[in-house]
Amino acid sequence: DTAVSQTPKYLVTQMGNDKSIKCEQNLGHDTMYWYKQDSKKFLKIMFSYNNKELIINETVPNRFSPKSPDKAHLNLHINSLELGDSAVYFCASSPSQLRGTGELFFGEGSRLTVL
Amino acid sequence: GENVEQHPSTLSVQEGDSAVIKCTYSDSASNYFPWYKQELGKRPQLIIDIRSNVGEKKDQRIAVTLNKTAKHFSLHITETQPEDSAVYFCAAGYGNNRLAFGKGNQVVVIP
Repeated sequence: DTAVSQTPKYLVTQMGNDKSIKCEQNLGHDTMYWYKQDSKKFLKIMFSYNNKELIINETVPNRFSPKSPDKAHLNLHINSLELGDSAVYFCASSPSQLRGTGELFFGEGSRLTVL
Repeated sequence: GENVEQHPSTLSVQEGDSAVIKCTYSDSASNYFPWYKQELGKRPQLIIDIRSNVGEKKDQRIAVTLNKTAKHFSLHITETQPEDSAVYFCAAGYGNNRLAFGKGNQVVVIP
């Protein structure tokens, strides 16, 4: 049973295209995240949702739009892809924020390559 | 916001020796300090964490120490093995589920 699953695992696309990455967690967690890991391995938070509500938006370009249809899903849509968007995007979840900071459970990552 | 510095960026150790990675943080309100291990091509996974009311925590060959006054914490790996080779990330937790990650440390265990 995969706790946090994201699709697709690999995505190769041309500059200017629009693409989406989907994420689902079956842990019953209230909080979900998107992280970007660049070629230097730096893990940078992009968004966080708690029970479908956006709580963290870290100066990410408007071309990135997260969407949480329910607390078990957090999708990421990217418009007008640029070369600099090439990275591995990790979805993660954690227990309710009301309990304070806790362990992050990461998905396997989605490697996006923009040509 | 919180700023986490992690050093050294790369660490090579002989199998069986100990490895120590140090991190500093800037926000004295941070109260949660996890360490994540990321093997090549895989997801980061929590290996140990410590909260601000504790100074040290051990789990078999790994331990974490926290110095709140100096605002630094360290990961100690004893009797290193080849499977310990990975990138290790420290992080500092603050606010509600906010985690600031360090830039990662590549540990290479030489057989």
